[in-house]
Amino acid sequence: RKEVEQDPGPFNVPEGATVAFNCTYSNSASQSFFWYRQDCRKEPKLLMSVYSSGNEDGRFTAQLNRASQYISLLIRDSKLSDSATYLCVVNPGGSYIPTFGRGTSLIVHP
Amino acid sequence: NAGVTQTPKFQVLKTGQSMTLQCAQDMNHEYMSWYRQDPGMGLRLIHYSVGAGITDQGEVPNGYNVSRSTTEDFPLRLLSAAPSQTSVYFCASSYNNEQFFGPGTRLTVL
Repeated sequence: RKEVEQDPGPFNVPEGATVAFNCTYSNSASQSFFWYRQDCRKEPKLLMSVYSSGNEDGRFTAQLNRASQYISLLIRDSKLSDSATYLCVVNPGGSYIPTFGRGTSLIVHP
Repeated sequence: NAGVTQTPKFQVLKTGQSMTLQCAQDMNHEYMSWYRQDPGMGLRLIHYSVGAGITDQGEVPNGYNVSRSTTEDFPLRLLSAAPSQTSVYFCASSYNNEQFFGPGTRLTVL
């Protein structure tokens, strides 16, 4: 089993739709969780951190479920500009080395 | 702040040539790393450093060398380029487990 798994997609949704991605992780000692966004041929950029209590930033909501070992990202009222690949990143406790998922591709169409 | 900078942006090499990919950051981050990104493979860690004078191997270190003589700079050397090293290379620095990526170097080895 891969350490961090994501559905590669693509998720093809119309503008205004709500879409959710999950990311599962295998290391129960993982301490830090993040969602990154990567546009085509660009570098990944931090979208949001995922806290135990959840995290909301405008149209984006991230949640952590430690019992089932997954994190989620919910995007409400999708915009064309949300089209990108979303990377899940997990840091094991006591390690500097993050583990990246392979990403979920989102395509928002008019 | 310029953040993380990488040069060159694009490079074409012939098999057997050597070259150095440059990476610099001006955020005084101790942790720096090099990744390669190939289609369908996600980001794979090549080498990383937790501070000046300290480097260690990541997931795919073969064919690459690094050094960290200063906090700011973390160059990646390809010793004898091979077609399998055709990829996009990202340098990153990290603070509090948040990764800051450079814009990447697109390398083609013929």
